Amino acid sequence: QSVLTQAPSASGTPGQRVTISCSGSSSSIGGNYVNWYQQLPGTAPKLLIYRNSERPSGVPDRISGSKSGTSASLAISGLRSEDEADYFCAAWDGSLSGVVFGGGTKLTVL
Amino acid sequence: EVQLVESGGGLVQPGGSLRLSCAASGFTFSRYWMSWVRQAPGKGLEWVANIKQDGSEKYYVDSVKGRFTVSRDNAKNSIYLQVNSLRAEDTAVYYCARNGYCTGGSCYSDYYYGMDVWGQGTTVTVSS
Repeated sequence: QSVLTQAPSASGTPGQRVTISCSGSSSSIGGNYVNWYQQLPGTAPKLLIYRNSERPSGVPDRISGSKSGTSASLAISGLRSEDEADYFCAAWDGSLSGVVFGGGTKLTVL
Repeated sequence: EVQLVESGGGLVQPGGSLRLSCAASGFTFSRYWMSWVRQAPGKGLEWVANIKQDGSEKYYVDSVKGRFTVSRDNAKNSIYLQVNSLRAEDTAVYYCARNGYCTGGSCYSDYYYGMDVWGQGTTVTVSS
């Protein structure tokens, strides 16, 4: 059971906007930065969003992140088939003194 | 090219030990916090441990405390994970990752930042 809570699955059609949510606590999301990772099948994770809403170089601006209180969201607009992947949120947890991950959301592009 | 390459995984019996290694290249290794993250077959990501630039601070997930030890050798641009008293539930792909981010030509690192560079992983299988 993960410390951060994500829905196990999400889906959308090409061109749509989808949102993936991540819920935590005051010691995790509430007090620290949220980061998002994309993992394509059979590959290592890739940093998609850092410090709640910043995009690393190379990540398109149709991908965005936000945080409010003890929850965070990842939004993908203009959905493409190559967005089909697992998405994980993560944050430092001050009470646990460690990084906690969400269980992951499998995004399917219909 | 910024790169992390893990090695040292394998098949080990319950109670056994392994030493995982991660070799870094393409960046100033000594300026970064580094982490180990694992992924059991068909499961999500689990952070295992991290280590400060000079090795003076280390953090571990509760399930590995007392069994796993993270260390680094900045002269060799490498981090290590000594895994002892292995259990079936330790079976996973183990990734090393760099903690930090780069923006506007400058890079920053701290334990609470995201992991912006990942290796390809090394597989540990614990089975009799």
